[in-house]
Amino acid sequence: DVKVTQSSRYLVKRTGEKVFLECVQDMDHENMFWYRQDPGLGLRLIYFSYDVKMKEKGDIPEGYSVSREKKERFSLILESASTNQTSMYLCASSLGRLGRNTIYFGEGSWLTVV
Amino acid sequence: DAKTTQPPSMDCAEGRAANLPCNHSTISGNEYVYWYRQIHSQGPQYIIHGLKNNETNEMASLIITEDRKSSTLILPHATLRDTAVYYCIVRPPSGGTASKLTFGTGTRLQVTL
Repeated sequence: DVKVTQSSRYLVKRTGEKVFLECVQDMDHENMFWYRQDPGLGLRLIYFSYDVKMKEKGDIPEGYSVSREKKERFSLILESASTNQTSMYLCASSLGRLGRNTIYFGEGSWLTVV
Repeated sequence: DAKTTQPPSMDCAEGRAANLPCNHSTISGNEYVYWYRQIHSQGPQYIIHGLKNNETNEMASLIITEDRKSSTLILPHATLRDTAVYYCIVRPPSGGTASKLTFGTGTRLQVTL
């Protein structure tokens, strides 16, 4: 089974802190994604990566950056956390870019910024 | 991208089959139908997907109508652990939007004793 592991399930951070959310997948997938999910707004794509050291902006990249130094690991960075970044963050991965390549999600990281 | 329409909620008795409908009348001939579910406070779980033919796996069956304008997810013997929000999603075969999953409001399935 595909395993997408997010390092932290629940975090509480202060406004202005730098926050790292880590994600690891064990299936040698090429593609990795970071989404956030908010009530009433559904799932929104923040960033995705098609290969090591490559990244592309999603729909809401402002206030976020990402890092992919190794194929299995994709990190989301909040440079200076703000209260409007309180959300559930979801990491995902897929073998390829095509519609037939299933996207698998991690358990989610609940971030509260106070 | 094709949009989907699902009933907001459904109930099902434990042990019975749960049949969750999805309308995707604007689907293109080469777009995939995916189903995910999300249990409260957890990440979305992949269930099944299909293109033209009906599909079955250990979790569920997917029935796609011949005109592909609608589909039904079938959980053959629902249990309390199947209580979740179920999302039907249409994905293009390629291109940037193939990676951008768009979850609608889904169907909240409540399985009861």
